[in-house]
Amino acid sequence: NAGVTQTPKFQVLKTGQSMTLQCAQDMNHEYMSWYRQDPGMGLRLIHYSVGAGITDQGEVPNGYNVSRSTTEDFPLRLLSAAPSQTSVYFCASRVGETQYFGPGTRLLVL
Amino acid sequence: AQSVTQPDIHITVSEGASLELRCNYSYGATPYLFWYVQSPGQGLQLLLKYFSGDTLVQGIKGFEAEFKRSQSSFNLRKPSVHWSDAAEYFCAVGARSGTASKLTFGTGTRLQVTL
Repeated sequence: NAGVTQTPKFQVLKTGQSMTLQCAQDMNHEYMSWYRQDPGMGLRLIHYSVGAGITDQGEVPNGYNVSRSTTEDFPLRLLSAAPSQTSVYFCASRVGETQYFGPGTRLLVL
Repeated sequence: AQSVTQPDIHITVSEGASLELRCNYSYGATPYLFWYVQSPGQGLQLLLKYFSGDTLVQGIKGFEAEFKRSQSSFNLRKPSVHWSDAAEYFCAVGARSGTASKLTFGTGTRLQVTL
């Protein structure tokens, strides 16, 4: 099992540009989620999905969009990037009550 | 709503010394509790978890944690620290709401190990 994979590892965007952060898992987990990590703030939940076709908002969803067309993939979209979205983004999938994290995507918005 | 407090932002210990990282949580029911470790530039690795039962939980890399309901704490311990343990450690509390599972993280404790 590759576990949870994320691409790209690092990305630089200009303000207003759009991009998609990719997340995939090969463990057949129904539950997946996206977090952002900022210094001194721990990880905060952006969006989550309890299965294909079902998504919901976390605590910091503004500026982000998600969809879940398959069990394996859970992409995170930034429609118009802002400097406030500079962060490290982690995708996770869950089995039972335990979440497993991907390696992260470091995003810099200029 | 649940919350997690890690009161120590940064801790320095000598290699071979014992370690205790503090974690206090706030949650109305019995929580699911986790400790994760993050090495520089890496993702989060699960060290250990507590759901129920024995309040002393063993994890990977020689770590253990003790759940104390009366103190709302879940402190992480290691009897002898190795230089490779230098990393950032996150305590988290999980809660279920229907099908949603929300994991709330503390702000982390950065561990520095001196030789």
